Amino acid sequence: DSGVTQTPKHLITATGQRVTLRCSPRSGDLSVYWYQQSLDQGLQFLIQYYNGEERAKGNILERFSAQQFPDLHSELNLSSLELGDSALYFCASSVVLAGVETQYFGPGTRLLVL
Amino acid sequence: ELKVEQNPLFLSMQEGKNYTIYCNYSTTSDRLYWYRQDPGKSLESLFVLLSNGAVKQEGRLMASLDTKARLSTLHITAAVHDLSATYFCAVDDGSEKLVFGKGTKLTVNP
Repeated sequence: DSGVTQTPKHLITATGQRVTLRCSPRSGDLSVYWYQQSLDQGLQFLIQYYNGEERAKGNILERFSAQQFPDLHSELNLSSLELGDSALYFCASSVVLAGVETQYFGPGTRLLVL
Repeated sequence: ELKVEQNPLFLSMQEGKNYTIYCNYSTTSDRLYWYRQDPGKSLESLFVLLSNGAVKQEGRLMASLDTKARLSTLHITAAVHDLSATYFCAVDDGSEKLVFGKGTKLTVNP
């Protein structure tokens, strides 16, 4: 158990809908990262937040948005869903020890768009 | 744009054998990570490699980094069934983003 929690574990929805994925980082970790894992694209970095502020952006679609709240939990919002958005969505939080950053991944949310 | 290539993508090996997984990356980076993922599970951090010539070992796994060749290897010694998983390397692109390889699915057969 990495200490990162994600809800829900599974989500089934229809095209055109909107969903919200939630992530709670490990206690004390300020950074949250979101990743998408799909069979065709592999693991892709979406976005990073640090202490409430957006820090880095990757291959995140305009239909997707995220935020990090004052209590450091984060939400990833996916809207106008398409079949191709079906994937496993991970969040990770990170800690820097002796100058080395390590990311700890949550269990993921498996999204199925029908 | 940083690209990360792993090979092989699939590896089937017998228990007790040794093998190496390779991770090549296209641009300079000072951080390389190895992760393990079991089917349907999350990613578990294995190693962080920071400098040229870095070598880290944990049990039957040993990872090394050659920043000049832009190559990292994950060596498996005397494989056991419990090592069956998918192994990913990931490279920091210098802006706190990790770029992942496609993963190597390792199956260790009795």
